[in-house]
Amino acid sequence: VDLVESGGGVVQPGGSLRLSCAASGFPFSTYGMHWVRQAPGKGLEWVAFIRYDGTKEYNADSVKGRFTISRDNSKNTLYLQLNSLTTEDTAMYYCAKDDFGNHGESWGQGAQVTVSS
Amino acid sequence: DIQMTQSPSSVSASVGDRVTITCQASQDVNTWLAWYQQKPGKAPRLLIQTASTLQSGVPSRFSGSGSGTHFTLTVSSLQPEDFATYYCQQADSFPLTFGGGTKVEIK
Repeated sequence: VDLVESGGGVVQPGGSLRLSCAASGFPFSTYGMHWVRQAPGKGLEWVAFIRYDGTKEYNADSVKGRFTISRDNSKNTLYLQLNSLTTEDTAMYYCAKDDFGNHGESWGQGAQVTVSS
Repeated sequence: DIQMTQSPSSVSASVGDRVTITCQASQDVNTWLAWYQQKPGKAPRLLIQTASTLQSGVPSRFSGSGSGTHFTLTVSSLQPEDFATYYCQQADSFPLTFGGGTKVEIK
């Protein structure tokens, strides 16, 4: 299993960013996927989950209406669209593969998102 | 939302010590509970799922127990590579939630 996040960077408050997570080494279209974030020096915060076929998503209250999780099974890629960003969204964002148990079985190395003026 | 409370928030221990971390859920999560290990600058690593099932490749000195609202992670004999931060996570219902973490430090 290999998960590689990309798309992180520095963005101004109110701005947008799209993270990608390229998956390989397993049948991507068979597994649900998560995004989890970690603010500097803080603990883990679950952000979003999408079912294997993309038919259902769940989001944390803190990002509802601002972040959108999606996937393209033809490209073995998971996405997270981040809109209306605030400084509170500054964090390392990890994608993680679920194994039918609502937990992260395998994780990527993370993508850093910094929201700053 | 289900709140997860871990204790202690940090523990100092020596190599060879037995260390136990507890995790309390604000409501019944059955055995839908996972434990992760995270080292500085690294992604979390899944250690245990469904409260007590050890992931492949995880040393047998790690064990998990509990059900309902009270769970424990035990390291029977701490090794140098075990100094890290440990998190519990309820997998019962969305939104998924993590405990605040327990940092295991060298005494």
